[in-house]
Amino acid sequence: GAVVSQHPSRVICKSGTSVKIECRSLDFQATTMFWYRQFPKQSLMLMATSNEGSKATYEQGVEKDKFLINHASLTLSTLTVTSAHPEDSSFYICSANVAGMNTEAFFGQGTRLTVV
Amino acid sequence: AQTVTQSQPEMSVQEAETVTLSCTYDTSESDYYLFWYKQPPSRQMILVIRQEAYKQQNATENRFSVNFQKAAKSFSLKISDSQLGDAAMYFCASANTGNQFYFGTGTSLTVIP
Repeated sequence: GAVVSQHPSRVICKSGTSVKIECRSLDFQATTMFWYRQFPKQSLMLMATSNEGSKATYEQGVEKDKFLINHASLTLSTLTVTSAHPEDSSFYICSANVAGMNTEAFFGQGTRLTVV
Repeated sequence: AQTVTQSQPEMSVQEAETVTLSCTYDTSESDYYLFWYKQPPSRQMILVIRQEAYKQQNATENRFSVNFQKAAKSFSLKISDSQLGDAAMYFCASANTGNQFYFGTGTSLTVIP
């Protein structure tokens, strides 16, 4: 199957700083990528849909100015958590689908963000 | 909008036995897909099985099968001949044709040797 890689797998940052998480499709092109957030022992919540070459679409309640998404190429989407706060500590997962293959989503291995 | 409900936070099964995980969903989409994902401690999401809503035949994948009841909006997962490696968190999910996934709250499955 297709491979999606996230980097870093773990990151610790100080409150007030920004942190960038990368999501790469390694062996396929992804016109659309998705970002999810998972709190401990809870489900994955869709945060936003990242579209190559255009603005991301955010789910209701997700602050677009806090969670900046850039999808500059067909293989890379980035999520930047700006002015990080301890409440932003969570597990972030991206997914991507192969262009032309609807609903065949491949997930990255996730990024554990801890804000201290 | 799509919502997915998993009413069993935890389940356990004896090794080699069969267990069924429940899932109900609600969607306004006319075309959608249903999934079961497994999330082991590594947190990597692993696709277990997938069902196209327009197909009446229940999907099967080796020891994994689903009971898809479209009218009841029910999508349960049956794991036969349970193995120790099946222990994980299982998430039911629905997806629209735009590939946006909506997940249930998960069921933690324990396999007892």
